[in-house]
Amino acid sequence: AQSVTQLDSQVPVFEEAPVELRCNYSSSVSVYLFWYVQYPNQGLQLLLKYLSGSTLVKGINGFEAEFNKSQTSFHLRKPSVHISDTAEYFCAAASGWDFGNEKLTFGTGTRLTIIP
Amino acid sequence: DAGVTQSPTHLIKTRGQHVTLRCSPISGHKSVSWYQQVLGQGPQFIFQYYEKEERGRGNFPDRFSARQFPNYSSELNVNALLLGDSALYLCASTQKGPKETQYFGPGTRLLVL
Repeated sequence: AQSVTQLDSQVPVFEEAPVELRCNYSSSVSVYLFWYVQYPNQGLQLLLKYLSGSTLVKGINGFEAEFNKSQTSFHLRKPSVHISDTAEYFCAAASGWDFGNEKLTFGTGTRLTIIP
Repeated sequence: DAGVTQSPTHLIKTRGQHVTLRCSPISGHKSVSWYQQVLGQGPQFIFQYYEKEERGRGNFPDRFSARQFPNYSSELNVNALLLGDSALYLCASTQKGPKETQYFGPGTRLLVL
């Protein structure tokens, strides 16, 4: 079964500083990877996804992530964070992503706190 | 366009009771998935439905059941509630087709006393 590990439960970062949120997944023949953001009292919003192709994926709000098969990692990065980035971030994986098989396995989340 | 909607937003029940949560997918989306998010953890997959058929089931007891209606809306039912069922229940919808994004609703927060 697929598993996802988010290595940091909390990450405090000063405003305008860069940030990296770490995510590792269990190896699988095929894997599809996602980063979601959850603002307080809201549902999940997709930031970006890796399905195939280029290993560097760009998402919304200036976020990007790099798929590293050899290290089974999919770390999320942003070069300069803003107060509005304060939220919970979830890494998720799927071992299949054809219709009818969209089950996502989530990590435990990383709470990103931006310090003014 | 309206996103995924869920009702109610909050719910308080006592142990042993039954609860029904509702989800309306984005217009045109035919697949609905349910997830349970316990406080401090990531969401866990419960069910996926498409065209009224169950397409996937997570590791949850038989007290959990769901169904999908002809208009693609869905209900999640939980019987004999336990304290541990307290969680945020998220619904996600997907348009038919491979590799489509799942869009999540705001969730229903269930508290079992």
